[in-house]
Amino acid sequence: EAGVAQSPRYKIIEKRQSVAFWCNPISGHATLYWYQQILGQGPKLLIQFQNNGVVDDSQLPKDRFSAERLKGVDSTLKIQPAKLEDSAVYLCASSSTLGTQYFGPGTRLTVL
Amino acid sequence: GIQVEQSPPDLILQEGANSTLRCNFSDSVNNLQWFHQNPWGQLINLFYIPSGTKQNGRLSATTVATERYSLLYISSSQTTDSGVYFCAGPYEGSNYKLTFGKGTLLTVNP
Repeated sequence: EAGVAQSPRYKIIEKRQSVAFWCNPISGHATLYWYQQILGQGPKLLIQFQNNGVVDDSQLPKDRFSAERLKGVDSTLKIQPAKLEDSAVYLCASSSTLGTQYFGPGTRLTVL
Repeated sequence: GIQVEQSPPDLILQEGANSTLRCNFSDSVNNLQWFHQNPWGQLINLFYIPSGTKQNGRLSATTVATERYSLLYISSSQTTDSGVYFCAGPYEGSNYKLTFGKGTLLTVNP
């Protein structure tokens, strides 16, 4: 069984630029999550999708972050414009039920 | 929201030693999970353990839900066990939004 795929693995941008991350969950998993992990901390949930609907986005900075999950499969997370404090690893996870979550390798974002 | 406290924050072991990691929650928790983040950043789910005890090889976990804590045991540690161990759990009614602790950084020296 293929795992959760993410791209790119690394991204370096200047502040105020835009960036997008892509995630392909495990086949058949209805629930998809985006997390932000700042160095030295545990992951923090940004947004949770159930199929293509948003279940929770209470911690998503909506003035600059957006996410979509068209057709209930792949998902894209966008930051526009980026700030220095957005430097972090962005993790995507998926689950078949509201239980065990499987994580992708993450995208390491550096904002200069 | 729920508070998740992990201890110890750092742990250094010699290969072959045993260790116990602890996770305390401020509120009732179901669907508690333990994860290992390897030095390359990959998060691996170790246990899904809302209550009771589970074992997987050299690792085992126990959750006492009524007392709001969980323990992760690592026996005969190996250098490949190095990394950060996180516990995480939602509280009831949260749509299973995982709240992570700050983790325990484990270093196993040869």
